[in-house]
Order: sequence, then structure tokens, then C-alpha cells
Amino acid sequence: SYELTQPPSVSVSPGQTARITCSGDALPKKYAYWYQQKSGQAPVLVIYEDSKRPSGIPERFSGSSSGTMATLTISGAQVEDEADYYCYSTDSSGNHRVFGTGTKVTVL
Amino acid sequence: EVQLVESGGGLVQPGGSLRLSCAASGFTFSSYWMHWVRQAPGKGLVWVSRINSDGSSTSYADSVKGRFTISRDNAKNTLYLQMNSLRAEDTAVYYCAIPAGLFDYWGQGTLVTVSS
Repeated sequence: SYELTQPPSVSVSPGQTARITCSGDALPKKYAYWYQQKSGQAPVLVIYEDSKRPSGIPERFSGSSSGTMATLTISGAQVEDEADYYCYSTDSSGNHRVFGTGTKVTVL
Repeated sequence: EVQLVESGGGLVQPGGSLRLSCAASGFTFSSYWMHWVRQAPGKGLVWVSRINSDGSSTSYADSVKGRFTISRDNAKNTLYLQMNSLRAEDTAVYYCAIPAGLFDYWGQGTLVTVSS
């Protein structure tokens, strides 16, 4: 079955840039989406269609995709950005959705 | 205001069955594909199933195919997940969701615990 691979953890100091990668064979042809999930809460969409930011999401969140890798960048990370982040996409058939393995972002 | 409210979770023995419901309001339910996503305690998000807007097409994760059935009643604005032959590894919070894109909404989740 299709998999999206993320690093388990990323640590940054406040104000620094955090980059989270998501690797998947179908990403050259399928959009990547990014979710932020804080403890005990439902996921929140922070990036859709590779690089678009929903209203209400701070500008420090950006996304890009090249080849088989999508990247979520948090420029000037804040303490409140500490959370788990998941990429989300579709397999090559378009029939099955999949979440990435998840990345825990620590800002301290 | 868009709302997705799951119900039907609880404790069930291995091999048992459970039906989850998701009551939708605040939008035209019959226009949207709907999904179920689950999250085991302390683990990551896992996509479970989706159904198209009129219920004519469904898709399942390999881990639940043949055991779970997704359905919807557009007249009642309700999404369902019938779960049969439950296993310990099905223990999770189950979210009803419209994931990805400008119209992205999630419920608060309902906990399913499979244990003897």
C-alpha cells in the first residue's frame, strides 16, 4: 500500500525556521496537504494543494513540492506552533487517501 | 456554522460490531464526499474510508476492507461506518471529516475501544 514518509521529529528555537519533509512516489502528480494537530484536538489544515494557505493560518506557514517530496516550512517558528504535523495525499490511482507518518515539532 | 458530530463509539469485545454515525449540519451535506479517519491512542492519523456525494462509490484502507462499510443518508444528513469483526488494533478515536481543500471540516471524534 502507498506510504508517505516524514521525519519523526524536528526541533527548532523560537524564531528559527522549521522544515518538515514528506516523501511519496505519487507526489509528482498528486497534491500534498498539511495538517497541524495539537494534543487532544482535531487536526487543522495549514496548507492545501501543495502551497496554498487557508484563511486564518499565519503567513509563517508555507508549502512547496518538488518531485517526490513535499515540504512544510514554518518561518520564524513560535512556541504555539509546537504540535504534530501530518502530510496527506492520494495514491496514484486517486482512490486511496493516505496520511504521512507524522512529525513532532518542538519549539524551545 | 458547519458541524460534524460523531456518535456510537464505546467498548466492544473482539469480534464484535459497532455502528458509528456522523450528523452533519450547516452545509449542503449531499454535495460533499465524506471520510472517516482514525487515530489510535498516541499514534498518527490513519485514513479509513471515503464515500462520494451520492453514495454510489466507496473506498477503504486495506486494513479495514471487508470488515467496515461506509454509507450515508443524504435525507438525514448523516454519515455511517458499520464496523464488523472488530480487533484490538481497531481501538482509536474515529473522526468524520471533509479533509483537504478550502472546505475542510472535522468532527470532535468518537472513541472506539476493542477489548475483552
